[in-house]
Amino acid sequence: GENVEQHPSTLSVQEGDSAVIKCTYSDSASNYFPWYKQELGKGPQLIIDIRSNVGEKKDQRIAVTLNKTAKHFSLHITETQPEDSAVYFCAAYQAGTALIFGKGTTLSVSS
Amino acid sequence: EPEVTQTPSHQVTQMGQEVILRCVPISNHLYFYWYRQILGQKVEFLVSFYNNEISEKSEIFDDQFSVERPDGSNFTLKIRSTKLEDSAMYFCASSELGGGGTGELFFGEGSRLTVL
Repeated sequence: GENVEQHPSTLSVQEGDSAVIKCTYSDSASNYFPWYKQELGKGPQLIIDIRSNVGEKKDQRIAVTLNKTAKHFSLHITETQPEDSAVYFCAAYQAGTALIFGKGTTLSVSS
Repeated sequence: EPEVTQTPSHQVTQMGQEVILRCVPISNHLYFYWYRQILGQKVEFLVSFYNNEISEKSEIFDDQFSVERPDGSNFTLKIRSTKLEDSAMYFCASSELGGGGTGELFFGEGSRLTVL
């Protein structure tokens, strides 16, 4: 089955800096890669996603890149703000199977 | 905005007791899921449900677990005889389409289960 590895497990940045979180997946049949943000005491919320027919997608300060050949994808947050502080999970998904999550990255943005 | 709702938000139970966690998925969604998250760890897949039957389940989802959709709105997770290691946050999720569509999962806020 699918296995998703995520790095780093914790990331501390200064407000205004960029943050990058990287994930790799094992199953080349996976074709959908969402990123979820989880704030304390809440369920994961989708922030951006990318499909395997696209190499990059951007939504304001966040962007995701996908390298299908290397089977890795990354989340980029620019101009970080304190409210970006949360746990971020990457995930991989393929038709007929379940969404498999990485172990999460705790992002701390200090002002 | 439509949302997935879960009850109870927190349940404390004694080891060996049965627990039922309830979820109301978004009304036009067809795919339903249960995930769990042990404190400080990653979100783990338990089971997916479509067309009134389990479509996939993980190794965690053993004979102690069951799911059902007793009516047109609720989706429940039952743990027959709880163990200490079942203590976790349980998330319900739903999606309009499966992997061939948008695939976006909408999560509820979770039910925290504490087994003593």
